[in-house]
Amino acid sequence: EDQVTQSPEALRLQEGESSSLNCSYTVSGLRGLFWYRQDPGKGPEFLFTLYSAGEEKEKERLKATLTKKESFLHITAPKPEDSATYLCAVQANSNYQLIWGAGTKLIIKP
Amino acid sequence: DAGVIQSPRHEVTEMGQEVTLRCKPISGHDYLFWYRQTMMRGLELLIYFNNNVPIDDSGMPEDRFSAKMPNASFSTLKIQPSEPRDSAVYFCASSLGASEKLFFGSGTQLSVL
Repeated sequence: EDQVTQSPEALRLQEGESSSLNCSYTVSGLRGLFWYRQDPGKGPEFLFTLYSAGEEKEKERLKATLTKKESFLHITAPKPEDSATYLCAVQANSNYQLIWGAGTKLIIKP
Repeated sequence: DAGVIQSPRHEVTEMGQEVTLRCKPISGHDYLFWYRQTMMRGLELLIYFNNNVPIDDSGMPEDRFSAKMPNASFSTLKIQPSEPRDSAVYFCASSLGASEKLFFGSGTQLSVL
């Protein structure tokens, strides 16, 4: 069964304290892995798409990486405005439906 | 572009009433998705359309839920009759292509009393 698991459920960091969020997946043929950011009261906002193991993408303080079993979202020197829930989703070759993880709630304290 | 527009932002209704949620996708996008988000179940795909045609409605919980897309710029999700367990945030999203990034609206917070 296709599945996505995110860890940890919640992460509290001090401003400037770097860390990583994990997204483990089981899918029969990966078409793509997506990272989204969701702020309270808003819809998810697209961050990255990764397609193959070894691929990396960066945006400001965020860097996403992909292996055959998991993806990491690395946050370098985070700021309070990086506080949000980060969602991971995978798309299988077999169909176009996204399989979503439960998300990691990130809190950055000033 | 104004992005995906959903209305209303909040809806409070009583059990048994009909609820209609509305969505205007981004102009030019050919895919439209309806999602439901709850703390317990996270994001769940209810139904999606391609070029105004429903493709997969296997996520629609039961016959009380229905969705239409009469044209490329408008879609509705209707719940009749509503029940307290339908309380959730309902999101509409659109994309240009099936494998492309989704653009989400701000959602409709539905509370069924």
